[in-house]
Amino acid sequence: DVKVTQSSRYLVKRTGEKVFLECVQDMDHENMFWYRQDPGLGLRLIYFSYDVKMKEKGDIPEGYSVSREKKERFSLILESASTNQTSMYLCASVLLNTGELFFGEGSRLTVL
Amino acid sequence: AQKVTQAQTEISVVEKEDVTLDCVYETRDTTYYLFWYKQPPSGELVFLIRRNSFDEQNEISGRYSWNFQKSTSSFNFTITASQVVDSAVYFCALSDPLVGTGNQFYFGTGTSLTVIP
Repeated sequence: DVKVTQSSRYLVKRTGEKVFLECVQDMDHENMFWYRQDPGLGLRLIYFSYDVKMKEKGDIPEGYSVSREKKERFSLILESASTNQTSMYLCASVLLNTGELFFGEGSRLTVL
Repeated sequence: AQKVTQAQTEISVVEKEDVTLDCVYETRDTTYYLFWYKQPPSGELVFLIRRNSFDEQNEISGRYSWNFQKSTSSFNFTITASQVVDSAVYFCALSDPLVGTGNQFYFGTGTSLTVIP
């Protein structure tokens, strides 16, 4: 089975802290994504990556950065967390010939 | 620009009732893909179906069925004889042509379905 694993299910951080959210997939997928999910807003794309060391901004990249040093790992970085970044963060990878996104379980971040 | 609209924010039905979740999309592409995903309370989104823009056949899988109509840009999802386990948030999504790098997915805001026993 395809597995997308996010490092933390729940995190609590303080304003100004640096936050790392890590995501690992085990199916050799090229494309990986970070979404943010908020009530009433659905899933909004933060960044995506289609290859190692490649990244593209999504709809709401401000305040975030990403790193893809290895194909299986895609990290989301909040350089200086703010309270408006309290949210559920979802990582996904895609099987290109079907277009099916595989999601991790999500990381619920609370910034105090 | 691509856009997916799920006008129904929340729906409640009594167990065994049928329920239809609406999805309307906008795209300028002639080739695209449509998806439905289910997000149960545990949080992990689960793929339900993919439909490409050239295939307007309706599909049935057990109690689930999907009605794709290009004329109205809709891709509706019906659950027949709903069960409590169907309680979840359901997302409709649209994706760019799968031509290699850079394909993106556009999600609706989701419909929260509650099935009351």
